[in-house]
Amino acid sequence: DTEVTQTPKHLVMGMTNKKSLKCEQHMGHRAMYWYKQKAKKPPELMFVYSYEKLSINESVPSRFSPECPNSSLLNLHLHALQPEDSALYLCASSHTLDRGAGNTIYFGEGSWLTVV
Amino acid sequence: SQQGEEDPQALSIQEGENATMNCSYKTSINNLQWYRQNSGRGLVHLILIRSNEREKHSGRLRVTLDTSKKSSSLLITASRAADTASYFCATDWNQAGTALIFGKGTTLSVSS
Repeated sequence: DTEVTQTPKHLVMGMTNKKSLKCEQHMGHRAMYWYKQKAKKPPELMFVYSYEKLSINESVPSRFSPECPNSSLLNLHLHALQPEDSALYLCASSHTLDRGAGNTIYFGEGSWLTVV
Repeated sequence: SQQGEEDPQALSIQEGENATMNCSYKTSINNLQWYRQNSGRGLVHLILIRSNEREKHSGRLRVTLDTSKKSSSLLITASRAADTASYFCATDWNQAGTALIFGKGTTLSVSS
């Protein structure tokens, strides 16, 4: 079972709405990630946070705004989304960004977003 | 863009049979990881193999890594219906290994 918790599990929002996806982990991890996954496609990296600071923004449109208020929480604020943004949004965490140490990334169950 | 390419894209077998999935990647890596995803669910980490390892086992899973060919394979032995899922290999997103980049995945269907 995953120790990365995402809420809500499902979200339907209009194109003019403002909503947020939330992610929480209590494993003491200092790196957190947002991935986006469309149906029958692999996850695609959106953002990476390390020690609460944004490390990578993979050219994500500004209508997606990440926030890391503390080491356990990661939010994704959504505003003026388009129907093509409908997807599964996955949060993940790892001990640090140091991949060389065999650092595993753990994923949450995801939040299904539908933009209408 | 994806770093890894899985092969085959889809695989259908009977319970009790073995399932083999292959992954090829493009650049040098620190580690390679395999994940499972049940339909509509999150990704479950299966196994991590480091670049200096050639083979690793975990229960019914066996992973091999050939860095000279930039390829890896995942073998699931004595498959069960519960193994039905999509399987992704994941490698380093960049040279620093800051994140993961996923292959296209193999969809495994195990029928009883």
